[in-house]
Amino acid sequence: GAGVSQSPSNKVTEKGKDVELRCDPISGHTALYWYRQRLGQGLEFLIYFQGNSAPDKSGLPSDRFSAERTGESVSTLTIQRTQQEDSAVYLCASSLEVYSNEQFFGPGTRLTVL
Amino acid sequence: DAKTTQPPSMDCAEGRAANLPCNHSTISGNEYVYWYRQIHSQGPQYIIHGLKNNETNEMASLIITEDRKSSTLILPHATLRDTAVYYCIVEIKAAGNKLTFGGGTRVLVKP
Repeated sequence: GAGVSQSPSNKVTEKGKDVELRCDPISGHTALYWYRQRLGQGLEFLIYFQGNSAPDKSGLPSDRFSAERTGESVSTLTIQRTQQEDSAVYLCASSLEVYSNEQFFGPGTRLTVL
Repeated sequence: DAKTTQPPSMDCAEGRAANLPCNHSTISGNEYVYWYRQIHSQGPQYIIHGLKNNETNEMASLIITEDRKSSTLILPHATLRDTAVYYCIVEIKAAGNKLTFGGGTRVLVKP
């Protein structure tokens, strides 16, 4: 079946511009996560969505970052006024069950801020 | 303190079994052992998990010691495509768990 998809796969932008990253989770997966991975580093949690519950935004690094999710489907991560330190791979993952650590990851969006 | 300890790297011959160790001496009774891997330039991939019994799926086998203080991930017939960084994670089952990857083991499968 279809896995988690993300778009675009690569995004190059200029400092100060806004970017929007998209994630399509696996159909039926109730949980959705956004992570960031800088070059050569581990995963950095950003935000978690679960059904209609309030999202866990505890990992968002600044108010320039925001995310939305429509029901149990598509999610978008928006970064406003991008900075060079925002350059990273942004990974989306979804999970079938609430109490599950089996997260299925998308291929990521590589963001480069010039 | 890190919950798990893994060797930083290991080589494996193509076609042979790869045995990846993980120490988790402070594991709690309700914590599971999870294994993920990350192939270069790809997102992490879930492999397998277990609580105390050994587990097997189409990708790998997981052997957990009786005292649960260590485990071994076994890739039965390593292929070149198994070259990746393998992460051992110890976590409870809870809503919204954020995965935290330690250093992992960089596995290089050689022809």
